[in-house]
Amino acid sequence: DGGITQSPKYLFRKEGQNVTLSCEQNLNHDAMYWYRQDPGQGLRLIYYSQIVNDFQKGDIAEGYSVSREKKESFPLTVTSAQKNPTAFYLCASSPRTSPSSYNEQFFGPGTRLTVL
Amino acid sequence: AQTVTQSQPEMSVQEAETVTLSCTYDTSESDYYLFWYKQPPSRQMILVIRQEAYKQQNATENRFSVNFQKAAKSFSLKISDSQLGDAAMYFCAYRSARSGSRLTFGEGTQLTVNP
Repeated sequence: DGGITQSPKYLFRKEGQNVTLSCEQNLNHDAMYWYRQDPGQGLRLIYYSQIVNDFQKGDIAEGYSVSREKKESFPLTVTSAQKNPTAFYLCASSPRTSPSSYNEQFFGPGTRLTVL
Repeated sequence: AQTVTQSQPEMSVQEAETVTLSCTYDTSESDYYLFWYKQPPSRQMILVIRQEAYKQQNATENRFSVNFQKAAKSFSLKISDSQLGDAAMYFCAYRSARSGSRLTFGEGTQLTVNP
Protein backbone atom coordinates (compact mmCIF):
# COMPACT_ATOMS: atom_id res chain seq x y z
CA ASP A 1 0.00 0.00 0.00
CA GLY A 2 1.25 3.47 -0.87
CA GLY A 3 1.23 6.05 1.83
CA ILE A 4 3.01 8.12 4.43
CA THR A 5 4.18 6.72 7.73
CA GLN A 6 5.19 8.67 10.80
CA SER A 7 6.80 7.25 13.86
CA PRO A 8 6.44 7.14 16.72
CA LYS A 9 2.75 7.91 17.28
CA TYR A 10 3.44 9.28 20.75
CA LEU A 11 6.74 10.72 21.92
CA PHE A 12 7.82 12.05 25.28
CA ARG A 13 10.84 14.23 25.76
CA LYS A 14 12.54 15.78 28.71
CA GLU A 15 13.29 19.45 28.59
CA GLY A 16 16.67 20.19 27.04
CA GLN A 17 16.72 17.08 24.86
CA ASN A 18 16.68 16.95 21.10
CA VAL A 19 14.26 14.50 19.50
CA THR A 20 13.78 13.33 15.91
CA LEU A 21 10.42 12.56 14.32
CA SER A 22 10.40 10.17 11.39
CA CYS A 23 8.47 10.61 8.14
CA GLU A 24 8.64 8.14 5.24
CA GLN A 25 6.62 8.04 2.01
CA ASN A 26 6.42 5.48 -0.78
CA LEU A 27 4.26 7.58 -3.11
CA ASN A 28 7.25 8.68 -5.20
CA HIS A 29 6.43 12.29 -4.34
CA ASP A 30 9.06 14.97 -4.81
CA ALA A 31 7.85 17.42 -2.18
CA MET A 32 7.54 16.85 1.56
CA TYR A 33 6.35 19.07 4.41
CA TRP A 34 6.26 19.32 8.19
CA TYR A 35 3.40 21.03 10.00
CA ARG A 36 2.71 21.78 13.62
CA GLN A 37 -0.85 21.73 14.98
CA ASP A 38 -1.81 23.31 18.30
CA PRO A 39 -5.30 23.22 19.87
CA GLY A 40 -7.62 25.78 18.33
CA GLN A 41 -5.19 26.60 15.55
CA GLY A 42 -4.76 25.47 12.02
CA LEU A 43 -1.67 23.82 10.61
CA ARG A 44 1.47 25.91 10.56
CA LEU A 45 4.31 25.10 8.19
CA ILE A 46 7.67 24.35 9.79
CA TYR A 47 9.86 23.25 6.87
CA TYR A 48 9.34 21.93 3.38
CA SER A 49 11.45 20.30 0.71
CA GLN A 50 10.67 20.23 -2.99
CA ILE A 51 13.62 18.09 -4.02
CA VAL A 52 16.27 15.89 -2.45
CA ASN A 53 19.10 17.74 -0.70
CA ASP A 54 17.13 20.98 -0.63
CA PHE A 55 14.67 22.43 1.88
CA GLN A 56 13.19 25.78 2.88
CA LYS A 57 12.01 27.31 6.12
CA GLY A 58 8.31 27.67 6.65
CA ASP A 59 6.56 30.10 8.96
CA ILE A 60 7.75 28.69 12.30
CA ALA A 61 11.19 27.10 11.63
CA GLU A 62 12.96 28.39 14.75
CA GLY A 63 14.01 25.54 17.03
CA TYR A 64 13.59 22.88 14.34
CA SER A 65 15.90 21.29 11.78
CA VAL A 66 15.38 18.88 8.88
CA SER A 67 17.32 16.88 6.31
CA ARG A 68 16.36 15.42 2.94
CA GLU A 69 19.03 12.92 1.95
CA LYS A 70 16.57 10.51 0.32
CA LYS A 71 13.43 11.15 -1.68
CA GLU A 72 11.42 8.90 0.62
CA SER A 73 12.48 10.38 3.95
CA PHE A 74 12.17 13.79 5.62
CA PRO A 75 13.01 13.60 9.34
CA LEU A 76 12.31 16.52 11.67
CA THR A 77 14.48 17.27 14.69
CA VAL A 78 12.97 19.28 17.50
CA THR A 79 15.88 20.91 19.27
CA SER A 80 16.20 22.23 22.80
CA ALA A 81 15.97 25.73 21.29
CA GLN A 82 12.26 25.17 20.61
CA LYS A 83 10.65 26.78 23.65
CA ASN A 84 7.24 25.21 23.46
CA PRO A 85 7.52 21.93 21.55
CA THR A 86 4.48 20.12 22.92
CA ALA A 87 2.18 19.77 19.91
CA PHE A 88 0.86 17.44 17.22
CA TYR A 89 3.20 17.14 14.23
CA LEU A 90 1.99 16.22 10.75
CA CYS A 91 4.09 15.23 7.77
CA ALA A 92 2.79 15.52 4.21
CA SER A 93 3.95 14.95 0.66
CA SER A 94 2.87 16.04 -2.80
CA PRO A 95 3.86 15.26 -6.42
CA ARG A 96 6.35 17.32 -8.40
CA THR A 97 5.51 20.99 -8.16
CA SER A 98 3.78 22.37 -11.21
CA PRO A 99 2.01 25.74 -11.25
CA SER A 100 -0.82 24.38 -13.35
CA SER A 101 -1.77 21.36 -11.27
CA TYR A 102 -3.37 20.84 -7.89
CA ASN A 103 -0.30 19.31 -6.21
CA GLU A 104 -2.60 18.22 -3.41
CA GLN A 105 -0.87 17.17 -0.25
CA PHE A 106 -1.27 13.74 1.35
CA PHE A 107 -0.80 13.48 5.08
CA GLY A 108 0.66 10.98 7.49
CA PRO A 109 -1.10 9.96 10.73
CA GLY A 110 0.90 12.38 12.88
CA THR A 111 3.11 12.28 15.98
CA ARG A 112 2.04 13.66 19.33
CA LEU A 113 5.08 15.15 21.11
CA THR A 114 4.89 15.92 24.82
CA VAL A 115 7.64 17.62 26.76
CA LEU A 116 7.81 16.49 30.38
CA ALA B 1 1.02 37.16 2.31
CA GLN B 2 -2.07 35.13 1.82
CA THR B 3 -4.40 34.51 4.74
CA VAL B 4 -7.29 32.13 5.16
CA THR B 5 -10.10 32.81 7.61
CA GLN B 6 -12.71 30.42 8.93
CA SER B 7 -15.05 32.50 11.06
CA GLN B 8 -16.99 29.59 12.58
CA PRO B 9 -14.93 27.76 15.23
CA GLU B 10 -17.82 25.33 15.82
CA MET B 11 -20.90 24.25 13.89
CA SER B 12 -23.53 21.59 14.48
CA VAL B 13 -26.06 19.88 12.23
CA GLN B 14 -28.74 17.26 12.57
CA GLU B 15 -28.18 13.97 10.83
CA ALA B 16 -29.57 14.04 7.25
CA GLU B 17 -29.65 17.85 7.21
CA THR B 18 -27.45 20.25 5.25
CA VAL B 19 -24.72 22.46 6.69
CA THR B 20 -22.47 25.12 5.17
CA LEU B 21 -19.00 25.94 6.45
CA SER B 22 -17.53 29.34 5.61
CA CYS B 23 -14.07 30.24 4.37
CA THR B 24 -12.68 33.52 3.11
CA TYR B 25 -9.17 34.25 1.92
CA ASP B 26 -7.07 37.24 1.10
CA THR B 27 -4.85 37.27 -1.97
CA SER B 28 -3.75 39.61 -4.72
CA GLU B 29 -3.21 36.75 -7.14
CA SER B 30 -5.62 35.57 -9.83
CA ASP B 31 -4.42 31.99 -10.23
CA TYR B 32 -4.60 29.69 -7.23
CA TYR B 33 -6.11 26.52 -5.81
CA LEU B 34 -8.43 26.00 -2.87
CA PHE B 35 -8.97 22.90 -0.78
CA TRP B 36 -11.13 21.58 2.03
CA TYR B 37 -9.56 18.98 4.30
CA LYS B 38 -11.30 16.92 6.97
CA GLN B 39 -9.63 15.83 10.21
CA PRO B 40 -11.71 13.24 12.11
CA PRO B 41 -10.94 12.23 15.72
CA SER B 42 -8.20 9.92 14.40
CA ARG B 43 -6.44 13.18 13.35
CA GLN B 44 -5.71 11.80 9.87
CA MET B 45 -6.06 14.66 7.37
CA ILE B 46 -8.24 13.72 4.40
CA LEU B 47 -8.82 15.79 1.27
CA VAL B 48 -12.54 16.42 0.79
CA ILE B 49 -12.74 18.65 -2.28
CA ARG B 50 -10.64 21.04 -4.37
CA GLN B 51 -11.23 23.97 -6.71
CA GLU B 52 -9.16 25.79 -9.31
CA ALA B 53 -9.60 29.55 -9.27
CA TYR B 54 -9.93 29.89 -13.03
CA LYS B 55 -12.81 27.39 -13.15
CA GLN B 56 -16.14 29.09 -12.65
CA GLN B 57 -18.02 25.85 -12.12
CA ASN B 58 -18.27 24.86 -8.48
CA ALA B 59 -16.64 21.55 -7.57
CA THR B 60 -18.79 18.66 -6.34
CA GLU B 61 -17.84 15.35 -4.74
CA ASN B 62 -20.89 13.24 -3.87
CA ARG B 63 -22.53 14.95 -0.84
CA PHE B 64 -19.88 17.67 -0.69
CA SER B 65 -19.99 20.78 -2.84
CA VAL B 66 -18.46 24.24 -2.76
CA ASN B 67 -19.73 27.73 -3.43
CA PHE B 68 -16.74 29.52 -4.93
CA GLN B 69 -17.16 33.29 -5.23
CA LYS B 70 -13.89 34.58 -6.66
CA ALA B 71 -14.72 38.27 -6.51
CA ALA B 72 -15.77 37.96 -2.88
CA LYS B 73 -12.81 35.65 -2.13
CA SER B 74 -15.16 33.16 -0.55
CA PHE B 75 -15.00 29.36 -0.65
CA SER B 76 -17.73 27.74 1.43
CA LEU B 77 -18.29 24.00 1.82
CA LYS B 78 -21.79 22.52 1.76
CA ILE B 79 -22.40 19.08 3.20
CA SER B 80 -25.73 17.56 2.20
CA ASP B 81 -27.50 14.65 3.93
CA SER B 82 -25.07 14.89 6.86
CA GLN B 83 -23.91 11.62 8.37
CA LEU B 84 -22.44 10.83 11.77
CA GLY B 85 -19.13 10.08 10.06
CA ASP B 86 -18.94 13.68 8.84
CA ALA B 87 -18.20 14.84 12.37
CA ALA B 88 -14.68 16.26 12.23
CA MET B 89 -12.55 19.39 12.12
CA TYR B 90 -12.68 20.94 8.66
CA PHE B 91 -9.84 23.07 7.31
CA CYS B 92 -9.89 25.38 4.33
CA ALA B 93 -6.54 25.78 2.53
CA TYR B 94 -5.07 27.97 -0.21
CA ARG B 95 -2.21 27.36 -2.63
CA SER B 96 -0.77 29.97 -4.95
CA ALA B 97 -0.13 28.80 -8.51
CA ARG B 98 3.03 30.91 -8.55
CA SER B 99 4.76 30.30 -5.26
CA GLY B 100 5.35 26.56 -5.25
CA SER B 101 3.48 23.89 -3.40
CA ARG B 102 3.04 25.22 0.11
CA LEU B 103 -0.45 25.50 1.58
CA THR B 104 -1.90 28.16 3.86
CA PHE B 105 -4.56 26.81 6.22
CA GLY B 106 -7.44 28.41 8.06
CA GLU B 107 -7.92 27.76 11.77
CA GLY B 108 -10.60 25.15 11.27
CA THR B 109 -14.29 24.57 12.01
CA GLN B 110 -15.30 21.78 14.38
CA LEU B 111 -18.44 20.11 13.00
CA THR B 112 -20.73 18.10 15.28
CA VAL B 113 -23.42 15.87 13.77
CA ASN B 114 -26.35 15.18 16.09
CA PRO B 115 -28.33 11.93 15.68
